[in-house]
Amino acid sequence: GQQVMQIPQYQHVQEGEDFTTYCNSSTTLSNIQWYKQRPGGHPVFLIQLVKSGEVKKQKRLTFQFGEAKKNSSLHITATQTTDVGTYFCAGTTSGTYKYIFGTGTRLKVLA
Amino acid sequence: ETGVTQTPRHLVMGMTNKKSLKCEQHLGHNAMYWYKQSAKKPLELMFVYSLEERVENNSVPSRFSPECPNSSHLFLHLHTLQPEDSALYLCASSQGMAGGWQPQHFGDGTRLSIL
Repeated sequence: GQQVMQIPQYQHVQEGEDFTTYCNSSTTLSNIQWYKQRPGGHPVFLIQLVKSGEVKKQKRLTFQFGEAKKNSSLHITATQTTDVGTYFCAGTTSGTYKYIFGTGTRLKVLA
Repeated sequence: ETGVTQTPRHLVMGMTNKKSLKCEQHLGHNAMYWYKQSAKKPLELMFVYSLEERVENNSVPSRFSPECPNSSHLFLHLHTLQPEDSALYLCASSQGMAGGWQPQHFGDGTRLSIL
């Protein structure tokens, strides 16, 4: 079945360092969404990418969708302690009702 | 306040008990979802309802039974659960049709422990 893998599984960074998580799908995706889940919280929607090669920015966060629409990345510049949490990608394929969530990357930021 | 309310927040039950999880969304959305989140596993989609019709049943054991009486409410009825069913159960809703490229809004979840 369709799988969405994320790497790394865990990442510890010093505050101010950059962070990147990568999302790879076994199948071509129609679109991809990114969510953040704080410890003890629920996933919160960050952004959606639809077009091949699309790049979107939200302040210090940069999201990219691969040309083949099978991979995506989230890059955080100059991390802050408020960035702590688990980042999930979620992709869907055409003709389905469901999003397949990635395995998640847990980010810890050391002050 | 997420607009999606789940009750109870915590539930401890024996394997022979019957209980129900409740989800209510105040966002006017048409699609609702149940997910299971276990430690060290990705979110697993369980059920999808679109306009009160079940459109996805992701090979979930029959001991989990969903119910969607209207577009604002979603239930998950539990019966004869197993220890491996202990997890965080998350409800989500989205605008428009299910899977229609809309953001999903999650509730805070019900932490379920099976004794």
